Amino acid sequence: SQQGEEDPQALSIQEGENATMNCSYKTSINNLQWYRQNSGRGLVHLILIRSNEREKHSGRLRVTLDTSKKSSSLLITASRAADTASYFCATDSQGGSEKLVFGKGTKLTVNP
Amino acid sequence: GAVVSQHPSWVICKSGTSVKIECRSLDFQATTMFWYRQFPKQSLMLMATSNEGSKATYEQGVEKDKFLINHASLTLSTLTVTSAHPEDSSFYICSAPNRALSPYEQYFGPGTRLTVT
Repeated sequence: SQQGEEDPQALSIQEGENATMNCSYKTSINNLQWYRQNSGRGLVHLILIRSNEREKHSGRLRVTLDTSKKSSSLLITASRAADTASYFCATDSQGGSEKLVFGKGTKLTVNP
Repeated sequence: GAVVSQHPSWVICKSGTSVKIECRSLDFQATTMFWYRQFPKQSLMLMATSNEGSKATYEQGVEKDKFLINHASLTLSTLTVTSAHPEDSSFYICSAPNRALSPYEQYFGPGTRLTVT
């Protein structure tokens, strides 16, 4: 069953602004990942955060994880038009399993 | 790197026919691959886990006789949609972990858009 829920479902911002997307999940996890999907394409891995980590950075990406609230956020700073895509969080479904359970996704539109 | 390809990228078939979709790991061996389907504006739903040399494991609610999976080599898994119906029209995506690079990250194919008329 789907366990990740992204918020908001859609987000439209101007270039240069920051974009924040949130994800909640229901069960215990070993790690949480964020993926990006351009329209009609496959997914690209962005970043992974382990359950014992609280924050992680990669370039313009910042991910936080709050296991007590079972939630994560993805922040994209100084957004660009090329960041326009759908963003999904994914969790391992049963501790240690390679199977991923995806959230519903946030569709981000960055206007030039 | 870790590149996964899918073929075809899109296919149109008539209702009642069968369609085969291939998923290949191009530069690594994948003993496990995953098949997802994605409806428009929705998320990915895991259909099955494809295991090299053994039977696939299907998620609850997925008909194994309708969605035949064969993982005959370390670089190829195939998904055959049998007796396709319009409701099977969807975007099918495969993924595979490259355990030599990362135990958790999945590498996704570009997807196959199936339209059943």
